[in-house]
Amino acid sequence: DADVTQTPRNRITKTGKRIMLECSQTKGHDRMYWYRQDPGLGLQLIYYSFDVKDINKGEISDGYSVSRQAQAKFSLSLESAIPNQTALYFCATRDRYQETQYFGPGTRLLVL
Amino acid sequence: GENVEQHPSTLSVQEGDSAVIKCTYSDSASNYFPWYKQELGKRPQLIIDIRSNVGEKKDQRIAVTLNKTAKHFSLHITETQPEDSAVYFCAASRTGGFKTIFGAGTRLFVKA
Repeated sequence: DADVTQTPRNRITKTGKRIMLECSQTKGHDRMYWYRQDPGLGLQLIYYSFDVKDINKGEISDGYSVSRQAQAKFSLSLESAIPNQTALYFCATRDRYQETQYFGPGTRLLVL
Repeated sequence: GENVEQHPSTLSVQEGDSAVIKCTYSDSASNYFPWYKQELGKRPQLIIDIRSNVGEKKDQRIAVTLNKTAKHFSLHITETQPEDSAVYFCAASRTGGFKTIFGAGTRLFVKA
């Protein structure tokens, strides 16, 4: 679904570095989400936002922060990356009147 | 808290056989149950969904059933094909709710 994009698609970084993952959408959805996926595990919610003034913690927000710069943009930051944050990160969007979530292509992050 | 349990974690079937994946949810207020398919290296994508006012829904070779009393819902894939091989996620949410709760996923292998 090209309507939800993520950059970068792959990233290798070192322990202690600050990195930012970006998500953009052209679907006009007001709700945006960041998920983490570990091998063999499901999707764990990190943060979610309903509009530019609304930010909410998910199940595993420790070590992460987010910024909703505009309705179409939602960024995830790792303040000081650690190896156990190595995972696949997905952004998703949703319209307030529909429950279906639309996922971005994912960012594969490796923390050395 | 809210959770969705999904079984089995891995399922291997012969091409042409049927596959069944089962989920149980805890939040009795949940009324929307989507299923997502994630092919290797790809993003999760919605394949079928069901609302709590419906007991069964079909779309060609896939069907979903819902038992609200038992808080169970299942995905049925008939006449499986190698391209059905993927990870399948069930999920639950409620109208007006903020989050979608995902199951841990089932890795389906269809052997040719």
